[in-house]
Amino acid sequence: QVTLRESGPALVKPTQTLTLTCTFSGFSLTTRGVCVGWVRQPPGKALEWLAHIDWDGDKFYSTSLKTRLTISKDTSEKQVVLRMTNMDPVDTATYYCARITTYYETSGRHYRADSFDIWGQGTMVTVAS
Amino acid sequence: QSALTQPASVSGSPGQSITISCTGTTNDVGSYNLVSWYQQHPDKAPKLVIYEVTKRPSGISNRFSGSKSGNTASLTISGLQAEDEADYYCCSFAGGSTFVEYVFGPGTKVTVL
Repeated sequence: QVTLRESGPALVKPTQTLTLTCTFSGFSLTTRGVCVGWVRQPPGKALEWLAHIDWDGDKFYSTSLKTRLTISKDTSEKQVVLRMTNMDPVDTATYYCARITTYYETSGRHYRADSFDIWGQGTMVTVAS
Repeated sequence: QSALTQPASVSGSPGQSITISCTGTTNDVGSYNLVSWYQQHPDKAPKLVIYEVTKRPSGISNRFSGSKSGNTASLTISGLQAEDEADYYCCSFAGGSTFVEYVFGPGTKVTVL
């Protein structure tokens, strides 16, 4: 069974750095085409992709937030960590980690998928003083 | 502000079919068959219901179908059921040869009358 679970602080102060950990099981982050990423959702608003890291350790960031984000992985521990600096009240949101399948193979053929196929339950982060 | 456009709400009676549109540009929806759709019930995590424009993950009802024409992708739910009442988000790959980007739509609230 594939699962992901987010953990981190529920409350951070403005200007602080947020550190979130995604612990996953049921799949390997060394399998070609498999990535783990982060998506956030402010209360009552839309989803927003933040970053992801792929099976090769390559890292990808949202253009609008890339100066504030750092993503890393510990494959042996099956964890992916996201750091977001200089937190602001507008960053108040539920933060989800998700498995992203970018490529897959079926019957000897390779396909691109680029879909967020399994999600964690999310963790609510409030930024306030 | 989302790069993709969706109607704020769509409603239908049980058994009817509804369609949700997702309009992008030639930089995203129009250039890639990498549109996915997510169902989100209140206070729950999103759930993938369609990927690669038309494909359904294992376990997703065949009442859900996807299509695309030009810069607009669509999700159709046929035989509408009470359990389909939720928010639906489209997502498209919007990167290029040298960068990766994913964009989500603003979401559509589906109400079963």
